[in-house]
Amino acid sequence: DVKVTQSSRYLVKRTGEKVFLECVQDMDHENMFWYRQDPGLGLRLIYFSYDVKMKEKGDIPEGYSVSREKKERFSLILESASTNQTSMYLCASRVSGIYNEQFFGPGTRLTVL
Amino acid sequence: AQSVTQLDSQVPVFEEAPVELRCNYSSSVSVYLFWYVQYPNQGLQLLLKYLSGSTLVESINGFEAEFNKSQTSFHLRKPSVHISDTAEYFCAVTSISNFGNEKLTFGTGTRLTIIP
Repeated sequence: DVKVTQSSRYLVKRTGEKVFLECVQDMDHENMFWYRQDPGLGLRLIYFSYDVKMKEKGDIPEGYSVSREKKERFSLILESASTNQTSMYLCASRVSGIYNEQFFGPGTRLTVL
Repeated sequence: AQSVTQLDSQVPVFEEAPVELRCNYSSSVSVYLFWYVQYPNQGLQLLLKYLSGSTLVESINGFEAEFNKSQTSFHLRKPSVHISDTAEYFCAVTSISNFGNEKLTFGTGTRLTIIP
């Protein structure tokens, strides 16, 4: 069965902290994605990765960075967390190809105080 | 550039009644279209997709969507809803290109609430 896991379901951090969100997929997928989900705004793409060590900025990359050292793991980094980064973060993966289904993790609800 | 509009943020429907969730897209090139569903406290999962061929596509749980190129729409319908259909539904579009790794653009979502 297809599986995308995220390291935490809920996370509370303080302003200015460095935050790591981890995503692991067990399907040998080439492409991985990080989105944030906010009420009324839907899903917005932060970063995506075509393959290991490759990354592309999405629509809202400011304040975020990513790391993909291994094919199965895609990390989202908030260098200095701010209150406006309080959100639900969703990770997804897929086989390479725009017509292919994206498989999503359950999400991490991050609160920055 | 591509965009997706879901005009209805919330749709309440009585159980066993029909429902239509509207989706309109904008793109200067040909597109692939998707509907994803998010059940409470879960991630998104694919409901159905249009790539080519028949403009009417169906899901395994009774939903269907019709690609209408002239109206740039991909509305989602179900003739009779069930309590278990309560979820948020997202329409998404991607433009066909040579790169093979284009991103999806999601709409803002429609929250479907089924009233017993």
